[in-house]
Amino acid sequence: DAGVTQSPTHLIKTRGQHVTLRCSPISGHKSVSWYQQVLGQGPQFIFQYYEKEERGRGNFPDRFSARQFPNYSSELNVNALLLGDSALYLCASSSYKRQGNYEQYFGPGTRLTVT
Amino acid sequence: AQSVTQLGSHVSVSEGALVLLRCNYSSSVPPYLFWYVQYPNQGLQLLLKYTSAATLVKGINGFEAEFKKSETSFHLTKPSAHMSDAAEYFCAVSDPAHEKLTFGTGTRLTIIP
Repeated sequence: DAGVTQSPTHLIKTRGQHVTLRCSPISGHKSVSWYQQVLGQGPQFIFQYYEKEERGRGNFPDRFSARQFPNYSSELNVNALLLGDSALYLCASSSYKRQGNYEQYFGPGTRLTVT
Repeated sequence: AQSVTQLGSHVSVSEGALVLLRCNYSSSVPPYLFWYVQYPNQGLQLLLKYTSAATLVKGINGFEAEFKKSETSFHLTKPSAHMSDAAEYFCAVSDPAHEKLTFGTGTRLTIIP
């Protein structure tokens, strides 16, 4: 079975631009979460979506938004990019709501560089 | 609010020696605890998880961790280090009612030949 996939792998953008990152969860998983990992730090939670509804939001500005599609894939959008948005963006999927199973499976990430 | 603290941003051990990576947590509710490993330029791979069952949890690649409520700790151990264990290790805590993972700052493990 395919794992979590993310596209693109790498991305270079200029300050002020907009970016869209994409994620496809493991087949059968209905929950997708997004994390930002700045170099040298642990991942920080951005959003969780389950059944196309936002279930959680981290401490990120409104420039960050996301959505989940009927096939459970997800997009993370970031507007008005800042240099500080340069990071590895990780997507994770899980079966969620299945009692006793809270494992999140991470994709390889999208490396965003803002210049 | 939940948080984890990983003591030691860098740990070096000799090949064949014991690996001990420290993690202490803070949580207002019974926590779920996780250890993830990250190899260079890759995503995170789950090593093991604690979800209120057995306090000694065995994971992949010979790693295990023990949940100690009295010490609010969830340290990761491996009896004998291999060169392939060199990576970044993250401890994380989650609220069972949600899926938000709160990660520590990570420990970079170096294996000395």
